[in-house]
Amino acid sequence: NAGVTQTPKFQVLKTGQSMTLQCAQDMNHNSMYWYRQDPGMGLRLIYYSASEGTTDKGEVPNGYNVSRLNKREFSLRLESAAPSQTSVYFCASIRGWGRTYNEQFFGPGTRLTVL
Amino acid sequence: QQQVKQSPQSLIVQKGGISIINCAYENTAFDYFPWYQQFPGKGPALLIAIRPDVSEKKEGRFTISFNKSAKQFSLHIMDSQPGDSATYFCAAGNNNDMRFGAGTRLTVKP
Repeated sequence: NAGVTQTPKFQVLKTGQSMTLQCAQDMNHNSMYWYRQDPGMGLRLIYYSASEGTTDKGEVPNGYNVSRLNKREFSLRLESAAPSQTSVYFCASIRGWGRTYNEQFFGPGTRLTVL
Repeated sequence: QQQVKQSPQSLIVQKGGISIINCAYENTAFDYFPWYQQFPGKGPALLIAIRPDVSEKKEGRFTISFNKSAKQFSLHIMDSQPGDSATYFCAAGNNNDMRFGAGTRLTVKP
């Protein structure tokens, strides 16, 4: 099992460019999450999908869109990248529903720089 | 508004010593308190977690102490090893919300 995989690992964008971050899990998990990690800020939730076909906003959704393509895949799209979106992005999945008492499995992250 | 405050930002401990990281939370509705360990270039991984109905949980060299009335909890790493050098994040949450601390970079010197 590969667990949670993310592509790409690194990306540099110019302001205004768009891109999609890909995430896939092979653990048959129901819930998937996108976080951003910034120095001194901890992890902040961008969007999540409690089950296939549903998505909801987290703490910091502005400037992002998501798609739960199927049970395995959850993508994050930046339509018009801004320097404030420079961050490390992590995808995570959970077997059940809700982050309480359920272990989150994180991917290796995507380091994004917006110039 | 930082709902989970973590300290210290960085910590240097000698091999064999005790590492202590503290967190404080604000939302009394939170009922799940995990700690995550993150190595450079990797995603966070769950280390240990506690529910508020117990004051302490121990797994090997790692112990969480929980003080519900003070809304504080801490991670103790006994007999710290160089392999424990990583960034540690606390979190507090429930099924509707989860907030993370800013992280503590632990260095264990041989």
